[in-house]
Amino acid sequence: DTGVSQNPRHKITKRGQNVTFRCDPISEHNRLYWYRQTLGQGPEFLTYFQNEAQLEKSRLLSDRFSAERPKGSFSTLEIQRTEQGDSAMYLCASSLVIEQFFGPGTRLTVL
Amino acid sequence: GQQLNQSPQSMFIQEGEDVSMNCTSSSIFNTWLWYKQDPGEGPVLLIALYKAGELTSNGRLTAQFGITRKDSFLNISASIPSDVGIYFCAGQLLEGSQGNLIFGKGTKLSVKP
Repeated sequence: DTGVSQNPRHKITKRGQNVTFRCDPISEHNRLYWYRQTLGQGPEFLTYFQNEAQLEKSRLLSDRFSAERPKGSFSTLEIQRTEQGDSAMYLCASSLVIEQFFGPGTRLTVL
Repeated sequence: GQQLNQSPQSMFIQEGEDVSMNCTSSSIFNTWLWYKQDPGEGPVLLIALYKAGELTSNGRLTAQFGITRKDSFLNISASIPSDVGIYFCAGQLLEGSQGNLIFGKGTKLSVKP
């Protein structure tokens, strides 16, 4: 399967712990996006990379959040000092131009 | 922030019926996309629209990009049980950010056999 993959699929952590998620985009896609989705809502944009450059960050992305795409391929999203409000589905998407293709998401639960 | 108003919030229909849902906004979009999401999975792209007035079909699905660039609709004909899920509209603004999509809150579709 050559779609977007995300790991882990589920993560349960205690408040205050750090977590890191990984996204592997479709191989020829140079653009990569992170979104967050809470229950009953559509995905909300967090940040966007073109190749290794982080071009845009939402104001939703607090100082505790950091994303990297060091070689322009896979990306990581780290949340430091997790809070219960961080519980959500974290979605990664990739694109060549406009049409974004999503991965299965990482479900984060902060206890 | 920017808002997309998606309606209806939910629909409960009989198998075989046609379905219609739409998205509206006060902002102008240069692209509209429609996605379907199953529980615990990521959204799957159904249809992409790039020009005002464009009408595009994908099997039993038909979507249109509104003339004003502020709205879009999705129709599903002859619904079947596997159409169950949450349908999202998403748009890319004409001005401002070119990196992200703005999503509606979704239309939850339930189909009774």
